[in-house]
Amino acid sequence: GAGVSQSPSNKVTEKGKDVELRCDPISGHTALYWYRQRLGQGLEFLIYFQGNSAPDKSGLPSDRFSAERTGESVSTLTIQRTQQEDSAVYLCASSLLPDSNQPQHFGDGTRLSIL
Amino acid sequence: QQQVKQSPQSLIVQKGGISIINCAYENTAFDYFPWYQQFPGKGPALLIAIRPDVSEKKEGRFTISFNKSAKQFSLHIMDSQPGDSATYFCAATEGYSTLTFGKGTMLLVSP
Repeated sequence: GAGVSQSPSNKVTEKGKDVELRCDPISGHTALYWYRQRLGQGLEFLIYFQGNSAPDKSGLPSDRFSAERTGESVSTLTIQRTQQEDSAVYLCASSLLPDSNQPQHFGDGTRLSIL
Repeated sequence: QQQVKQSPQSLIVQKGGISIINCAYENTAFDYFPWYQQFPGKGPALLIAIRPDVSEKKEGRFTISFNKSAKQFSLHIMDSQPGDSATYFCAATEGYSTLTFGKGTMLLVSP
């Protein structure tokens, strides 16, 4: 596909379980971003990748959150020991370059519900 | 600390009317101000963007007005249509483009 693809589209899990969310960026896009969108809120920045490295992890809310990117393509966001406050839509975006001249293209997100 | 404040939280406009959404920012280092449109169940999509060296940018029915001294910018949707009903987010960024978003405005255009 031509756009950013995220999977799964929906995930329901029990409190305390680990979850892994996947993002396939647009081919050739070197910059990749993860955001969290809580109900009725704006998008909250989590982490940014340039290639396979993460120059900015400042938005990760706790050490239960981690992310990696391999092969300058797919990225996974892992949440360990999930809590109810982790319930949100997790959005991934990619851009050709990490530059404000390059628009960020978003996927449709993973809706995570913690029971 | 919220760096981009957006208002109103929700807005109802009649078809054909003008929708106006306002944002204010605090960080004077911001140098790029995009607006995103989000439909339910979809990711945000870039609508229009402006840089602080211009005071206005127009694309079709969508116009951004920018006031650098007041640190404010706004989105105007002319001749609003029911298909414009969505949530709109303003955002701001500097440097390598980590976006700081407003909390969003839910727009409903009544037929």
